[in-house]
Amino acid sequence: QSALTQPPSASGSPGQSVTISCTGTSSDVGGYNYVSWYQHHPGKAPRLMIYEVNKRPSGVPDRFSGSKSGNTASLTVSGLQTEDEADYYCNSYAGSNTLVFGGGTKLTVL
Amino acid sequence: QVQLVQSGAEVKKPGSSVKVSCKGSGNTFNTYTINWVRQAPGQGLEWMGGIIPIFGTPISAQKFKGRLTITADKSTSTAYMELSSLTSEDTAVYYCARDLIGAFYAMDVWGQGTTVTVSS
Repeated sequence: QSALTQPPSASGSPGQSVTISCTGTSSDVGGYNYVSWYQHHPGKAPRLMIYEVNKRPSGVPDRFSGSKSGNTASLTVSGLQTEDEADYYCNSYAGSNTLVFGGGTKLTVL
Repeated sequence: QVQLVQSGAEVKKPGSSVKVSCKGSGNTFNTYTINWVRQAPGQGLEWMGGIIPIFGTPISAQKFKGRLTITADKSTSTAYMELSSLTSEDTAVYYCARDLIGAFYAMDVWGQGTTVTVSS
């Protein structure tokens, strides 16, 4: 299993929107609707933000949304806030009960 | 509210093994997948494997097969991750994480992390 491909960095100003991509293959992202996104602040445990491509767990602001087209999934953060600054990781089911993460994207709120 | 509490930090010699525990609270621990995820210094998250305690059959990422043992004790709601033949590249923070109830392959409850340092 190869890691999913994410841009190493993304940025936006408060109030703006930013989209982070996650590219895999037909064996993972493209083959299943089991893409999730995690927010990770250094020194803390990761937090689930999106699951099954576009569903939000309870407590996650609706500023966070997910989508997928072909082998690429995307996380969009609208109305950026300073507390959104963190590392974001996508994750996909890859068959045979295995999962694979993306390399991570550092989101900077300017 | 389910919580996952992991065992404390470990310092290990190259070639040795480490066993990290993850104790759950609440009555849903045994019926949902407990995953193990690690993050090496300066690196991203890496899924290692998982187990559904009530079934007991673990799954491991290909990278760790032969070196990783994941087990669970239903009676104590505790999952274990044992990694053998340690090298410096296994220095990382290791997390356990439980799947979201009602969903597939989404980890919503995480342990606090266990730092494993491999050094001679």
